[in-house]
Amino acid sequence: DTGVSQDPRHKITKRGQNVTFRCDPISEHNRLYWYRQTLGQGPEFLTYFQNEAQLEKSRLLSDRFSAERPKGSFSTLEIQRTEQGDSAMYLCASSPPGTGGGYTFGSGTRLTVV
Amino acid sequence: DAKTTQPTSMDCAEGRAANLPCNHSTISGNEYVYWYRQIHSQGPQYIIHGLKNNETNEMASLIITEDRKSSTLILPHATLRDTAVYYCIVRVREAQKLVFGQGTRLTINP
Repeated sequence: DTGVSQDPRHKITKRGQNVTFRCDPISEHNRLYWYRQTLGQGPEFLTYFQNEAQLEKSRLLSDRFSAERPKGSFSTLEIQRTEQGDSAMYLCASSPPGTGGGYTFGSGTRLTVV
Repeated sequence: DAKTTQPTSMDCAEGRAANLPCNHSTISGNEYVYWYRQIHSQGPQYIIHGLKNNETNEMASLIITEDRKSSTLILPHATLRDTAVYYCIVRVREAQKLVFGQGTRLTINP
């Protein structure tokens, strides 16, 4: 399978716990993106990497959120001290070098904070 | 990025052409029109994009008006599997983030 993989697909956690999600992009794609989607809304941009460099972060990405992409391959998104408002679908996407093409999204990680 | 306006929902009969409109009256000369769709419980899927010429691929056709203030995505022979939320997005080609609106919920009826 050459698509974007996200793990886990579902995560239920108690408020206050830390969670980490993983994204494996398409191997030849150097750009990687994280989005968040709440019920009934379109996805919202969180952050973007080109290779291992994090080049843009949304104001949505509070200090409880951190994303990394060591070695420019897979990426992790960590949420510390989760809150109920963090419950959402977290989507990862990747795109190849160059500009203008469409992104390939993964199927997402659904987080439920109880 | 320019703002887009789409109908909240639409219905179409299976086998017919589905025509999804999008208004982007404040689009700039260097902004492209992109279409994505999202089937329930999946990530968005890229469909097509264009600047000013009409575009066609294996999934759909994109018709952009001459003044570029609106566009229409056409699914020529809709199937039940085309039931999804369709997002119209405008962005400068070099910009990396996509700004999604609420999209159009398209339901294909048997």
